[in-house]
Amino acid sequence: DAKTTQPPSMDCAEGRAANLPCNHSTISGNEYVYWYRQIHSQGPQYIIHGLKNNETNEMASLIITEDRKSSTLILPHATLRDTAVYYCIVYTGNQFYFGTGTSLTVIP
Amino acid sequence: DGGITQSPKYLFRKEGQNVTLSCEQNLNHDAMYWYRQDPGQGLRLIYYSQIVNDFQKGDIAEGYSVSREKKESFPLTVTSAQKNPTAFYLCASSIMVAGGYEQFFGPGTRLTVL
Repeated sequence: DAKTTQPPSMDCAEGRAANLPCNHSTISGNEYVYWYRQIHSQGPQYIIHGLKNNETNEMASLIITEDRKSSTLILPHATLRDTAVYYCIVYTGNQFYFGTGTSLTVIP
Repeated sequence: DGGITQSPKYLFRKEGQNVTLSCEQNLNHDAMYWYRQDPGQGLRLIYYSQIVNDFQKGDIAEGYSVSREKKESFPLTVTSAQKNPTAFYLCASSIMVAGGYEQFFGPGTRLTVL
């Protein structure tokens, strides 16, 4: 069974915030949520991760619900370069479990 | 520059032949991973190694083998027992960061079995 569920695709207007949802309803208390993105079949790139608290870095914000069963990745001002496949991942302590990803298209 | 190197970028083999994919890292990371990615799919874990001379099977290890004789190297062999080996293969390493681990990926090797 997949540990994460994501919508297969989303569009976002350039300059607007992109909100990418992820469900991880079976996550355990000590398992982290990670987000990576992949552009043109290159190696995935790290974006952000968190356990319980909301997190923010120079790339994005991660909002985790209080029950930890879902999270949202927020790209505050999407650019054309943000067009990619975004993966929500659960890290169990020794394995990273990737979902099937959301293909985000940023529209000019 | 520090990073993960995978070679070659494209690899072609005939059916029934074993093939070894190279993965080298100079990041001094203890843990290394091999993933397989099929078109339109997420990454699936083949094998991982947390220390030298030790490795564990992932979700799809059948038909693959690995070795970890050196910290910086984690080669993957795709054997003839792998029924559908054509795929994009990604190697990664990880290191502990504040509040968890960060995984770094190589550029990948696209294997086509003819």
